[in-house]
Amino acid sequence: DAGVTQTPRHEVAEKGQTIILKCEPVSGHNDLFWYRQTKIQGLELLSYFRSKSLMEDGGAFKDRFKAEMLNSSFSTLKIQPTEPKDSAVYLCASSLSGIEQYFGPGTRLTVL
Amino acid sequence: GEQVEQRPPHLSVREGDSAVITCTYTDPNSYYFFWYKQEPGASLQLLMKVFSSTEINEGQGFTVLLNKKDKRLSLNLTAAHPGDSAAYFCAVSALTSGGNYKPTFGKGTSLVVHP
Repeated sequence: DAGVTQTPRHEVAEKGQTIILKCEPVSGHNDLFWYRQTKIQGLELLSYFRSKSLMEDGGAFKDRFKAEMLNSSFSTLKIQPTEPKDSAVYLCASSLSGIEQYFGPGTRLTVL
Repeated sequence: GEQVEQRPPHLSVREGDSAVITCTYTDPNSYYFFWYKQEPGASLQLLMKVFSSTEINEGQGFTVLLNKKDKRLSLNLTAAHPGDSAAYFCAVSALTSGGNYKPTFGKGTSLVVHP
């Protein structure tokens, strides 16, 4: 079985641009998570979907971050507009009913 | 909601020494417990999962202990080697009022093993 895939692996954006990150979960998993990882803040939950329904949208990230799950096998994370402080690694993970999470390779975002 | 505290944030040991990382959690409805390893530049890989009430799980070169009474989960690398240098994260999945399990991660421990 294929694991979690994320594209692109690296993204460089100018301040103010809109970027879209993509994630394909493990086939059959009903939970999908988006995290942001930085050295200072560690892992921060951005969004959490269960069976395509948004369960949690990470509070502080609401204004410029929007995650969507268009179908059970594809999710996007849009950041609009980007700011330099958004530079981080964005991780997508999936699980079966919130138990064991499988992580994708991540997207490293640099905002200039 | 669940709060998970992981200690220490940084750990430096010599090759052959043991290294212990501990997580404490708050939610009594926590049922699934995990340790993840993240090597530099890589994503998180599942190291061990623990489901029973009090359990010792042994892997290759490490032991995981869960004490539900004290709400404590620990990872013990018994004889660390330089290849163990990585970030380690604990995760705890608690049952929510909605009937699903939601994972909460510790902030991670950066382990460096010196030759």
